[in-house]
Amino acid sequence: AQSVTQPDIHITVSEGASLELRCNYSYGATPYLFWYVQSPGQGLQLLLKYFSGDTLVQGIKGFEAEFKRSQSSFNLRKPSVHWSDAAEYFCAVANTGNQFYFGTGTSLTVIP
Amino acid sequence: GAGVSQSPSNKVTEKGKDVELRCDPISGHTALYWYRQSLGQGLEFLIYFQGNSAPDKSGLPSDRFSAERTGGSVSTLTIQRTQQEDSAVYLCASSFQGVGGYTFGSGTRLTVV
Repeated sequence: AQSVTQPDIHITVSEGASLELRCNYSYGATPYLFWYVQSPGQGLQLLLKYFSGDTLVQGIKGFEAEFKRSQSSFNLRKPSVHWSDAAEYFCAVANTGNQFYFGTGTSLTVIP
Repeated sequence: GAGVSQSPSNKVTEKGKDVELRCDPISGHTALYWYRQSLGQGLEFLIYFQGNSAPDKSGLPSDRFSAERTGGSVSTLTIQRTQQEDSAVYLCASSFQGVGGYTFGSGTRLTVV
């Protein structure tokens, strides 16, 4: 069965510091992988997605993620965090049936 | 419309009452999804509509939950005899291009008291 694990429930970083949010997935075939961001009271906004090809994916707002099949991981990174990046981040895997499986999310706090 | 619209944005209801949550997908999107987001939890898949095909209801947690999609557009999620554990944010998403093109609404926050 498909599943997604986000091991870090909450992360705090200083503004300007680098960021890495971890995501591990379980899926029998080549997965479709996604990162979404959710600001308070808002829906989910797609940051980036991986379907195939280059394993380093660039997204919006300066985010990137790298697909590592050997580690079943799809970690999200940003070289320099801004205060506006404070939000909840969700990793997701989708199957060929168009059904998404989401992780439980990582809450990001950015301190000045 | 420009995005996925959900109404109401907030709903407080008494235990045992029925509620209806509405989702207006992006015009032309053939696929529509409902998810539930409970406090401290990830998103739980509820139901998936694709065109005129029979919906995938495999995520509905009980027979108190039902959903319909009229005319291939607007969808209504109905929860009968609400329970406190139904309190959550209910998110709707629509897609035209399959998994790559999901757009989520802002959700309906349901509180059962």
